Order: sequence, then C-alpha cells, then structure tokens
Amino acid sequence: KAGVTQTPRYLIKTRGQQVTLSCSPISGHRSVSWYQQTPGQGLQFLFEYFSETQRNKGNFPGRFSGRQFSNSRSEMNVSTLELGDSALYLCASRASGSLGANVLTFGAGSRLTVL
Amino acid sequence: SQQGEEDPQALSIQEGENATMNCSYKTSINNLQWYRQNSGRGLVHLILIRSNEREKHSGRLRVTLDTSKKSSSLLITASRAADTASYFCATDSNAGNMLTFGGGTRLMVKP
Repeated sequence: KAGVTQTPRYLIKTRGQQVTLSCSPISGHRSVSWYQQTPGQGLQFLFEYFSETQRNKGNFPGRFSGRQFSNSRSEMNVSTLELGDSALYLCASRASGSLGANVLTFGAGSRLTVL
Repeated sequence: SQQGEEDPQALSIQEGENATMNCSYKTSINNLQWYRQNSGRGLVHLILIRSNEREKHSGRLRVTLDTSKKSSSLLITASRAADTASYFCATDSNAGNMLTFGGGTRLMVKP
C-alpha cells in the first residue's frame, strides 16, 4: 500500500509569490490534514478536509487555503508569501472510522524556503 | 498553538541505555499519541494511549499517562543508534479532527 505522497519535496520561492503544495493520501483514506512545522513554532495545525469539505481550520491567516478533490487528493495554497512562511509543510491522512482515534499517517513533507 | 511542552528538549545517551521523555498538556484529552520524526521528514506514529488507560507497552516502548497531572512519559528501553530522532507527543481533544503537538524531544543515541 503506497504511503502519503507529497509534491514537491523542496521548493524555493521569493516574497510575494504564491505556492501550491499537493498531497495524495493513502488509498481509501478520506481525511487529509495539513500541518506547518517551523523551528520557532513547532508543529501547528493548518486545516483538515474530509470528503471535499473543510472540517477544521487552524489559526492561520487567509493567505493559507486548501481544497480536496473527489479522489481525496488535497492541495494547499499560500499566497503573497512572507519570509516567515518558510517551513516544512506536512500532510497526513487518516482512515475514517478508526474507532475514534485520530491516528495520522504523514507524508515526507514539502520544504518551502521563501527568500 | 502547542498544547504543552516536552522535557527534556534534547537528550543524549549511549546505546543500550534507556531514554525517558516527558510531555505535559493543558486541556482534557481523548487520547495521547507519540510520534517520531527523523531529520525533518514526516512523522511516524509510535503508540496511542487512551485517556482511561494508565500504561501501555509496544515492543521497547512504554508509555504512561497521568490525566490528573496532565502528563505523559515515553520510555525507550535498550536504545539503539537507530532510535536517534525527534519524538513528539500529540493530544487529541474534542476540538475537531486535529492533533496538538508538543515541542518535541531530540534524542541522540551514541553507538
């Protein structure tokens, strides 16, 4: 069974640009979550999607958005990039109905550097 | 924002020794999980303990949970160089399908 796949793995952008990151969950997983990891703030929840609907959103500005497609693949977008957006962006998928336990399977992450 | 803190922030031990990491959290939880991360890559789920459990074992891992103190500990016995990684606790509360992570403990196991 293939794991969670994130693309691209590494990317460099300049301030003011926008970026789109992609995540393909484990086959059959309908829930996809995104997390941002930085040395200063640690791991922070961005948003969670289930069956193409955003169910939960973290405390991030509107520049951060996402969506999920009918095949459960998800994308997140960051517009008007700032230096502070440099981070490892992690996607995770979860099997629905997993007895109420929110156990996540993570991808390897997309490392974004904003110059 | 992070749920709580992990202690110590960094730990260096020799192969064969035991490693203990502690996690504190702030709000009531449904369960607490521990994840491992190698060199800035993705996190790997290690073990989950539910709020009505006090101790759980999985191989060389032992997790305890004290809900009255809002704290948990992860013990890795007979550590190996391959255990070198960052370890994070994560709590699952009633605040939707999200996990709140601690700051992590960086473990280095020297051969």
